[in-house]
Amino acid sequence: AQTIHQWPVAEIKAVGSPLSLGCTIKGKSSPNLYWYWQATGGTLQQLFYSITVGQVESVVQLNLSASRPKDDQFILSTEKLLLSHSGFYLCAWSQQGNSDYTFGSGTRLLVI
Amino acid sequence: QQQVRQSPQSLTVWEGETAILNCSYENSAFDYFPWYQQFPGEGPALLISILSVSNKKEDGRFTIFFNKREKKLSLHIADSQPGDSATYFCAARDTGNYKYVFGAGTRLKVIA
Repeated sequence: AQTIHQWPVAEIKAVGSPLSLGCTIKGKSSPNLYWYWQATGGTLQQLFYSITVGQVESVVQLNLSASRPKDDQFILSTEKLLLSHSGFYLCAWSQQGNSDYTFGSGTRLLVI
Repeated sequence: QQQVRQSPQSLTVWEGETAILNCSYENSAFDYFPWYQQFPGEGPALLISILSVSNKKEDGRFTIFFNKREKKLSLHIADSQPGDSATYFCAARDTGNYKYVFGAGTRLKVIA
């Protein structure tokens, strides 16, 4: 069975500090991978997607970047956090050609 | 521009009643519509979905009614249970596109 793991579960970071969030998918080769951001009580905003290793497409510019260093790993990062980066970050995967998304349990980020 | 609209923003029903959640969209190229259920602090989970070639999809107590001509769909939750209390997101996929557009969500509360 496929599993998706996000880390860390939660973070409290200072404005201007760097950030790195991770996502790993096990049990599935060559998945499509996605990063989403959700404000408290808000909708889901897609940030990035990747259909293959080393290739990442940006959907929304939020002073964040993403990378896919391995087939099963997706990283979200920034060098300088802003207050507006606070929220719930969700990683998701889908099969190639299959539309159903499976979301991870998310990382809650508070920037102070 | 919000391409997927959900109403109501919040809904309260009594246990045993049918909850009706509405969704509308603007882009005629949308061909696939999943509904996701999200509990507080968790990632969204796929609940039920429908392709635009169908007008109805049932899965247990959950039914999607789809009207392509009017670009509207609705999720009916029959015999609502307190455990159904969650936020429900309607999403839409553009044909051949990796981007999903999510609605703002409907917060459902089922009172025992």
